[in-house]
This record gives sequence, C-alpha cells and structure tokens, in this order.
Amino acid sequence: QVQLQQWGAGLLKPSETLSLTCSVSGGSFTNYYWAWIRQSPGKGLEWIGDISHSGITNYNPSLVGRVTMSVDTSQKKFSLKVTSVTAADTAVYYCARSWSSSYYSDYWGQGTMVTVSS
Amino acid sequence: EIVLTQSPGTLSLSPGERATLSCRASQSVRTTSLAWYQQKPGQAPRLLIYGASYRATGIPDRFSGSGSGTDFTLTVSRLEPEDFAVYYCQQYGSSPLTFGGGTKVEIK
Repeated sequence: QVQLQQWGAGLLKPSETLSLTCSVSGGSFTNYYWAWIRQSPGKGLEWIGDISHSGITNYNPSLVGRVTMSVDTSQKKFSLKVTSVTAADTAVYYCARSWSSSYYSDYWGQGTMVTVSS
Repeated sequence: EIVLTQSPGTLSLSPGERATLSCRASQSVRTTSLAWYQQKPGQAPRLLIYGASYRATGIPDRFSGSGSGTDFTLTVSRLEPEDFAVYYCQQYGSSPLTFGGGTKVEIK
C-alpha cells in the first residue's frame, strides 16, 4: 500500500524559507512524478510543481524563482523549499504522487499546515 | 492558464438522492484531461475520476464522470452518508494544472 508521509516547520516569519519533505513507502519511486500542492482559504487548491525521480522539475509559473524541489531516490524522499515567504504562502501543503508531470495525483500525504506570521 | 468554474457552490440533498456537479473550463481541456476529487474535513483530496470518465481504483460505481471540451459533470447516482463532502475538478491538459473552486454537497 502506497503511503506518503510529510513533515516540516509549521510556523514561519515573513522572509524565511519554507522547507518540507515527503517520504514514500509501499510502491515504486522511479515510475512516477512527485508533486506538491497547497490549499488556502483564499486561493483554494494550487499546484506548486513536481519532480521526477531523476530530478526533472516543472514549476507553476506563479512561483518560479521562489520554489525549489529536490529528490533523493535512494531514500525515496522528495522535498520542497519556498523562499521569501509572506502571509500569502500560508496554506496546507500536500505532497502527492502523479503518473506524469503536471498530471492528476492518486496518492496524497496527510498535509502540513504552514503559517507565516510575524 | 485554464480557469475552472464549478457549480453550484453548495448542493443540499438527502441520502439516496442523485447529485449532479458541474465544472466549466475557460478554454477547451485537451484530451479530456480532467479529474475529480473528493475532500472531507481534515483530509487530503481523494482521486475519484480521471480522464473525465474513468473511475480510480476502489471508487464505487455510483460515481461517474462525463463531458469533454469545456463542460464536465460528476454524478453520484445515489448519495450515501459518506459522500457528503467537497468535490473539486482539476484539469491537467495544460500546464499549469489548475483546480476548480469546489462544490460542497451537504445533507439537507
């Protein structure tokens, strides 16, 4: 059974860097793309981007320049960093599995609430 | 980017009734690349439908999807108590993929 377990800091100050990691268990890591999606009351669900097992990335243009995704295939983990956060980055962040880049997601992590506040 | 508009915002129905949810795209969705998700409070979205009409693994056959181009529909033939939730559509035919604003199906 595929499971995604995510973790990271939940409270940040403006201008800090958001950092989240997602660990995958119970299935192949190399056959899929690995995505980050966030959900806020104001903007709803927003796709942040995704990364392949080999490190090929595809980011939402709205976040290009602030987002970096990385992957550790040996550990079956992938990570998200968002720099220079503001209150607008406050959201629940989800990691998820996709069959291809910019594709629907069939397995999701439990979500991490990230709050940006001074 | 493609904007998805879902209607109605809220649907008040009783268990056993039929639910019909709409998702309209601002431009044609390529190759019926549309998915539907169900989300309950405090949980991650759950994939129901992909490719506009294909049920994901383990999804009961009371859920069905249809449509093409700019108009898509999710139908729940007979609502079970566990079906009361928020439903989102998502297009993945054009990058960036985008989501609709959601339809809440509540108990009448």
